[in-house]
Amino acid sequence: ELKVEQNPLFLSMQEGKNYTIYCNYSTTSDRLYWYRQDPGKSLESLFVLLSNGAVKQEGRLMASLDTKARLSTLHITAAVHDLSATYFCAVTNTDKLIFGTGTRLQVFP
Amino acid sequence: EPEVTQTPSHQVTQMGQEVILRCVPISNHLYFYWYRQILGQKVEFLVSFYNNEISEKSEIFDDQFSVERPDGSNFTLKIRSTKLEDSAMYFCASRRTEKLFFGSGTQLSVL
Repeated sequence: ELKVEQNPLFLSMQEGKNYTIYCNYSTTSDRLYWYRQDPGKSLESLFVLLSNGAVKQEGRLMASLDTKARLSTLHITAAVHDLSATYFCAVTNTDKLIFGTGTRLQVFP
Repeated sequence: EPEVTQTPSHQVTQMGQEVILRCVPISNHLYFYWYRQILGQKVEFLVSFYNNEISEKSEIFDDQFSVERPDGSNFTLKIRSTKLEDSAMYFCASRRTEKLFFGSGTQLSVL
């Protein structure tokens, strides 16, 4: 059974600081997704990573994938308050997504 | 940007009642999904639908659940006899390529 684990589960960070969220998964997969969710809202697609060594960046967020280690990272650079949200990674298993537990990020001044 | 549309945004029902959650996927998409999220928990897969039939379903998707694509645009999830534990946010999703788009969700509350 495919398991997806994220850490940390909760992250409180100061504006301007850098931090990394980790996503580990237990079996081979061909796609990894990162989503953002604001409270009570839907899932906003951030990145889709398709191959080993893939790196994608959008603004202050950068995602990478190491399929051999079954690890993806979401790196936050110089955090701002607007990045406060819950971040989920998800991995494909056949055609469905298996989601991680989520990382709740809170950025304070 | 095109959106996946879900209605209603909130649904309150009594235990044992039937509910139908409605979704309009993005028009040229081919693959359709339902997921749910119990408050404060992770998102869970329910069912995938392609070429007018279910392609995969989870253990959660038992005989009380069904999906339909009655016309070229709508995609519905029916829960025949709701239980308290069905209370959750239900998300519809669709894709054509690898990028999966989620709707804004229907918050279902079973009393």
